[in-house]
Amino acid sequence: DTGVSQDPRHKITKRGQNVTFRCDPISEHNRLYWYRQTLGQGPEFLTYFQNEAQLEKSRLLSDRFSAERPKGSFSTLEIQRTEQGDSAMYLCASSTGTGVGEQFFGPGTRLTVL
Amino acid sequence: QKEVEQNSGPLSVPEGAIASLNCTYSDRVSQSFFWYRQYSGKSPELIMSIYSNGDKEDGRFTAQLNKASQYVSLLIRDSQPSDSATYLCAVQTGANNLFFGTGTRLTVIP
Repeated sequence: DTGVSQDPRHKITKRGQNVTFRCDPISEHNRLYWYRQTLGQGPEFLTYFQNEAQLEKSRLLSDRFSAERPKGSFSTLEIQRTEQGDSAMYLCASSTGTGVGEQFFGPGTRLTVL
Repeated sequence: QKEVEQNSGPLSVPEGAIASLNCTYSDRVSQSFFWYRQYSGKSPELIMSIYSNGDKEDGRFTAQLNKASQYVSLLIRDSQPSDSATYLCAVQTGANNLFFGTGTRLTVIP
């Protein structure tokens, strides 16, 4: 257990529905990252927060995706109008704000879109 | 486009042998390099980080970095069946996101 928690661990939804995932980083970490991983691939970067500021977004993050970190603590990732191609493991990682910072991953949320 | 290349494997070694995992990267300004272990159905677990050329040892694991050749490797000595997993190489520039390879699946045969 790295200290990063994610909820829910599994989510099954029907195409077109909205889903929201939550990530709680390690308490002293002010950087928080979201990645997506599909079968047989490495994690792919989605977005990154330093405290409450969203500093970078990948082109993978279409306009159906939105992420927030309102008070610089936990973060949410919402997917609107889900598509079957959104089925993946959504991973959250956190790191300290000093230096390069090793990233520690949570257990992930596995999304299945039917 | 930053690319990280790994042999997808699978790589099979007998128990007690040395497993050698390799990774190359395309972005010369990359500064930090990581190896993650991922068991099936689980999330990546950080096992090694390396920032300078040369070797870094931690228990049975040794990471090797050669920035001139844009090459990083992981050696696992005295391989155990519990080492059977997918090993992900990740590269970072500054404090930004990680770029991952597709991973190498390692099987240690008892």
